[in-house]
Amino acid sequence: SQQGEEDPQALSIQEGENATMNCSYKTSINNLQWYRQNSGRGLVHLILIRSNEREKHSGRLRVTLDTSKKSSSLLITASRAADTASYFCATDDNSWGKFQFGAGTQVVVTP
Amino acid sequence: GAGVSQSPRYKVAKRGQDVALRCDPISGHVSLFWYQQALGQGPEFLTYFQNEAQLDKSGLPSDRFFAERPEGSVSTLKIQRTQQEDSAVYLCASSLSTGKLTEAFFGQGTRLTVV
Repeated sequence: SQQGEEDPQALSIQEGENATMNCSYKTSINNLQWYRQNSGRGLVHLILIRSNEREKHSGRLRVTLDTSKKSSSLLITASRAADTASYFCATDDNSWGKFQFGAGTQVVVTP
Repeated sequence: GAGVSQSPRYKVAKRGQDVALRCDPISGHVSLFWYQQALGQGPEFLTYFQNEAQLDKSGLPSDRFFAERPEGSVSTLKIQRTQQEDSAVYLCASSLSTGKLTEAFFGQGTRLTVV
């Protein structure tokens, strides 16, 4: 079973636009991470946000976390064609960092 | 090596055949994870090692799945008597420590197709 659920399942935007995707989870967490996966490739870590943090930035990425709603959002600003990928949130809820992933949001950025 | 390495990248197995998938984690990484990713889905946790100890194998779908990491470095995921439902990408990840705030580095995965 998967802990997180991403929304939307798919997103199509044009270069330069912002892309926003959301992740909801079920149980209390230690931290939440976002990963990117290009077609046929492994997952690449994007950003980690701790359970006591509310917002975090990394380059064109902005992540928010609302533990009261058990949800997180990932915003990609000024998107590029190279941002085309699937994006997954992953949560860990135990002491050794076992990650559970959602089903992902497939983002397509057209030039 | 520079990253997590998995081999083979692709494997086609006949139903009933045994397969072995290898993972070379980043040198010095204590934690090692195996995940199974079906087409269009997110990765599903299979098992976790801390050094050579398998601390969690709750995600292994059946007793046909077996994983080991005998020297706390390279790990092998073995699937016996493969079935069509075993077709998936198998991802290995490693992280430096066992703490809560560690980033996991993933390999490219092994795409297993059972025919």
